[in-house]
Amino acid sequence: QVQLKESGPGLVQPSQTLSLTCTVSGFSLTSYHVHWVRQPPGKGLEWMGVMWSDGDTSYNSALKSRLSISRDTSKSQVFLTMNSLQTEDTGIYYCNREREYNLFDYWGQGVMVTVSS
Amino acid sequence: DIQMTQSPASLSASLGETVTIECLASEDIYSNLAWYQQKPGKSPQLLIYYANSLNDGVPSRFSGSGSGTQYSLKINSLQSEDVSIYFCQQNYDSPPTFGSGTKLEIK
Repeated sequence: QVQLKESGPGLVQPSQTLSLTCTVSGFSLTSYHVHWVRQPPGKGLEWMGVMWSDGDTSYNSALKSRLSISRDTSKSQVFLTMNSLQTEDTGIYYCNREREYNLFDYWGQGVMVTVSS
Repeated sequence: DIQMTQSPASLSASLGETVTIECLASEDIYSNLAWYQQKPGKSPQLLIYYANSLNDGVPSRFSGSGSGTQYSLKINSLQSEDVSIYFCQQNYDSPPTFGSGTKLEIK
């Protein structure tokens, strides 16, 4: 069945770089787009960016200068890298699968990232 | 970016009641509106898409309606398992944007 699972460090120091991995199963990265969405504590959801099935990427304009998304199709993994982290980047980071235009049918369990010294 | 304004921010209702959550888009999104349910400590799950289509496995007590800029999610016969945060999301234009969420509790 379709599954997505995020992994990465739970704690990152301010000004450092965040690296997260989304490992998928049950579908191919070359057939479906995979997005990243984050949720600050007690707040709403913010779209961060997408790895398109053709390998191209798009980013939230507010994060574009700090964010990079890549993938390894042989390992069924999508990677998120974001630099210059600040406390406001604290939150749960989700990867999800797009069923059709920007509609998300499967989500990972999420990974909590705390930015603190 | 299209702004999504969701109301109310929180809602408390009794078991068996009917509740309605509203979502207002900053421009016409032509029914490209989804609702997600996020149970405590869990990731969001797709409930409704294209304003009124139920996702597979979603109970029929959930329904969606609306057009243009105004949309609503209705839950009939409220059950204890409906305690969640509900988010609307427009998938008409990029970037996809979400409402701020409605926290539903049982009285």
